[in-house]
Amino acid sequence: DAKTTQPPSMDCAEGRAANLPCNHSTISGNEYVYWYRQIHSQGPQYIIHGLKNNETNEMASLIITEDRKSSTLILPHATLRDTAVYYCIAPRRTGANNLFFGTGTRLTVIP
Amino acid sequence: ETGVTQTPRHLVMGMTNKKSLKCEQHLGHNAMYWYKQSAKKPLELMFVYSLEERVENNSVPSRFSPECPNSSHLFLHLHTLQPEDSALYLCASSQEVYVAGEQYFGPGTRLTVT
Repeated sequence: DAKTTQPPSMDCAEGRAANLPCNHSTISGNEYVYWYRQIHSQGPQYIIHGLKNNETNEMASLIITEDRKSSTLILPHATLRDTAVYYCIAPRRTGANNLFFGTGTRLTVIP
Repeated sequence: ETGVTQTPRHLVMGMTNKKSLKCEQHLGHNAMYWYKQSAKKPLELMFVYSLEERVENNSVPSRFSPECPNSSHLFLHLHTLQPEDSALYLCASSQEVYVAGEQYFGPGTRLTVT
């Protein structure tokens, strides 16, 4: 997996957009960027992934810089239920599909 | 609703006990995984199965023994565990194993070894 770097923690006011950054400067040209989150004591939940273009789904938006060295996950209107640890992952393209989760960013949504 | 179920959700066992964790996926996936998550540590991949065949074993002690009787079921047999094996054990599945893609996780089994 390409190494990813995330801030250890962030706060966000309820109803505001949460912007979670991730640096992945060693990412290869064909490696996707995946985002997962883990709510306390539950299994991780897939959020979104992308390669080059920005992506949006019902949960979030993913903005990838043109040089692909960093990305930002955007939760447009954060709710208290979005409080979780968010993981940015760039899994290897060869070998068994496994995800190195690292320590992620602990997002706390504040009422 | 994840499509991946795990039983039991909580388990307390002594060091001399033998127990098994069960995982079932209802997604038609071909790959299944066991992960371990200890307190304040990242998830650690333990085993990977593709179509019932083990394809990866990340130096896991032999007191953990996986079994994959079919592509929908995965077991983790436990025997003579140590207190440091207390952790959240997570099962996951994905469409294929050799193509990077999203994995779907179960809720986990919280294991306490006394």
